[in-house]
Amino acid sequence: GAGVSQTPSNKVTEKGKYVELRCDPISGHTALYWYRQSLGQGPEFLIYFQGTGAADDSGLPNDRFFAVRPEGSVSTLKIQRTERGDSAVYLCASSLDRSYNSPLHFGNGTRLTVT
Amino acid sequence: DQQVKQNSPSLSVQEGRISILNCDYTNSMFDYFLWYKKYPAEGPTFLISISSIKDKNEDGRFTVFLNKSAKHLSLHIVPSQPGDSAVYFCAASSYRGKLQFGAGTQVVVTP
Repeated sequence: GAGVSQTPSNKVTEKGKYVELRCDPISGHTALYWYRQSLGQGPEFLIYFQGTGAADDSGLPNDRFFAVRPEGSVSTLKIQRTERGDSAVYLCASSLDRSYNSPLHFGNGTRLTVT
Repeated sequence: DQQVKQNSPSLSVQEGRISILNCDYTNSMFDYFLWYKKYPAEGPTFLISISSIKDKNEDGRFTVFLNKSAKHLSLHIVPSQPGDSAVYFCAASSYRGKLQFGAGTQVVVTP
């Protein structure tokens, strides 16, 4: 079946620009997560949605980062006034629910490069 | 504050032998642990998990061991195969908390 889909796969933008990254989770998965992975590091938690609401946004680094999931399915991560330090692979994951036997299924990520 | 640590950035093992990957954690509230495998240009793929009420979980060639008193877990792959060459991430969470990852271990299985 279809997995988690992320678009675009690559995004190059200039410092100061605005970007949107899209995530299409597995159908029927109620939980959706955004992670960020920098070179040589493991994925770092950004935000978690249960349904339409952000249940935990404690990982967002600052107010330039914002994410929405208006209909409880597709999610968009928005980054304003991008900085070179925002360059990373942004991973989206979904899970059936929050139970322990419901592991996260990751997409292939969006590689963001800020020049 | 790195609460999940994988101190070996790389591991080379011969095909057919055992691969042992280690992971340490500092947060005693963690009660669910997972291993993910990642190929280049792909997202991490779930491999195996263990809850804190167990000390061992096995799935085919993969076994995860948990030592709560030492705050240590390990992943054993027996026998190692060339297709196992990938980056392996250890991850942990507390009840309904966010999943936290280690930095990963690059495994290379040589013929």
